[in-house]
Amino acid sequence: EIVLMQSPGTLSLSPGERATLSCRASQSVSSDYLAWYQQKPGQAPRLLIYGASSRATGIPDRFSGSGSGTHFTLIISRLEPEDFAVYYCQQFGSSPPLWTFGQGTKVEIK
Amino acid sequence: QVQLVESGGGVVQPGRSLRLSCATSGFTFSNYDMHWVRQAPGKGLEWVAVIWHDGNKKYCADSVKGRFTISRDNSRNTLYLQMNSLRAEDTAVYFCARRSGVWWLRDHYYSMDVWGQGTTVTVSS
Repeated sequence: EIVLMQSPGTLSLSPGERATLSCRASQSVSSDYLAWYQQKPGQAPRLLIYGASSRATGIPDRFSGSGSGTHFTLIISRLEPEDFAVYYCQQFGSSPPLWTFGQGTKVEIK
Repeated sequence: QVQLVESGGGVVQPGRSLRLSCATSGFTFSNYDMHWVRQAPGKGLEWVAVIWHDGNKKYCADSVKGRFTISRDNSRNTLYLQMNSLRAEDTAVYFCARRSGVWWLRDHYYSMDVWGQGTTVTVSS
C-alpha cells in the first residue's frame, strides 16, 4: 500500500505570501491518481486539484498543482484570508482499488 | 444544486451496529461511483469504502473489512453504510462523497468532487 507523507505539518505564513506544500509517495504514483483537498474547521473537504495539476470547478488560479512520480506540490501563489485551512493530498491505488490520504498540512496565519 | 446529506449517526455501544444514509439530489445518482470517508476527532481523512455506480463492485479499507458494508439504492438516490461490530476507533465524522466523473469516464477521474456535511458516530460504553 502506498503511503503519502505531507510536509511540513504546519506552515505559518502571512496573507499575500506564497505557500508551498509537499506530498511525497512511498512508491511512484500516476499523476492521474493524485488530488488535493482543502478543509476548514467544521466543514467537509473541498476538491482543489485533480490529476495532479487540473483545478476543480470554481477553484481560483492562485492554486496550482504539479509533480510526478513520488513528489507532488500544491502552491498557493498569494494567500488570501480564506486560504488558511488544512490541505490533504490523496492518491488512488489500483490493485485492489483503494484511496489513501496524506496526514495533512495546516496553513496557519503567522 | 448538487447535494449530499448524511444521516444516521449517533452514540452507540461497542459491538453494536449502525446504518448511515446519504441522500443525494441535483445529479443523476446512478451515473456515479460513491465513497464513504471518515475523520476521527482531531485527525486526518481516512477512506472507508467505494461502490460502483451500479452497485456491482464494492471495495473497502482493511480497517473496516468484514464489519462495514457499503450499498446503494439507485431508485432512492441514496447511499448507505452498514456498520457492524463497532469499535471505539470507529468514532469519527463520516462523509459521503461523489467520485469525480461519470462511470463511463471512471478511468480518467480518481478524486472526490462533491461531499456531504458529515454525520458523527461515537462508539462508547
